Amino acid sequence: DAGVIQSPRHEVTEMGQEVTLRCKLISGHNSLFWYRQTMMRGLELLIYFNNNVPIDDSGMPEDRFSAKMPNASFSTLKIQPSEPRDSAVYFCASSRTSGGIMGEQFFGPGTRLTVL
Amino acid sequence: TQLLEQSPQFLSIQEGENLTVYCNSSSVFSSLQWYRQEPGEGPVLLVTVVTGGEVKKLKRLTFQFGDARKDSSLHITAAQPGDTGLYLCAGDRSGGGADGLTFGKGTHLIIQP
Repeated sequence: DAGVIQSPRHEVTEMGQEVTLRCKLISGHNSLFWYRQTMMRGLELLIYFNNNVPIDDSGMPEDRFSAKMPNASFSTLKIQPSEPRDSAVYFCASSRTSGGIMGEQFFGPGTRLTVL
Repeated sequence: TQLLEQSPQFLSIQEGENLTVYCNSSSVFSSLQWYRQEPGEGPVLLVTVVTGGEVKKLKRLTFQFGDARKDSSLHITAAQPGDTGLYLCAGDRSGGGADGLTFGKGTHLIIQP
């Protein structure tokens, strides 16, 4: 298994541009998490899907951020318009959650976003 | 306010020394996980603790969950340069992941040869 796949690995864009980050889950996993990591704030949960349904999006900073899961194996995180304060490493993680104890989350390699 | 406070934030020690890092909260967690993250990569799970007072060992790493399930510690014996990395604790408050995981900011650990 290739693990969680994220693309692009690096993205440099100008303020005001639309940015789309992509994530492919591990086959058989049913939960998908988007995180943002900065030195100041650490690793923050942005949104969490279970069986393609958004469960908790309270971490999404504002309306400029949106996430979709069009099928069971793929998700996108879109920022429109992007701002310099959005610069961070964005991680996608997947797990097999079936009630009871939280399963292991498998993280992708991250997308390093720089907004100029 | 950070739900999970990790300390110390940074730690640099010599190879062969022992160390303990801490993860504290005022909230109760149904389970708590420790991850290690290396530069340029995503975090990787080391252990999950579930029962209050539980102790788990992974080679030279010893993890303990507090009796009240509000805190945890990670002890490394005879640290080696390969232990260098960012150690993150993450708590599940709801059980089964209904609220997702809450991560601490982590302890940046450097083991000098």
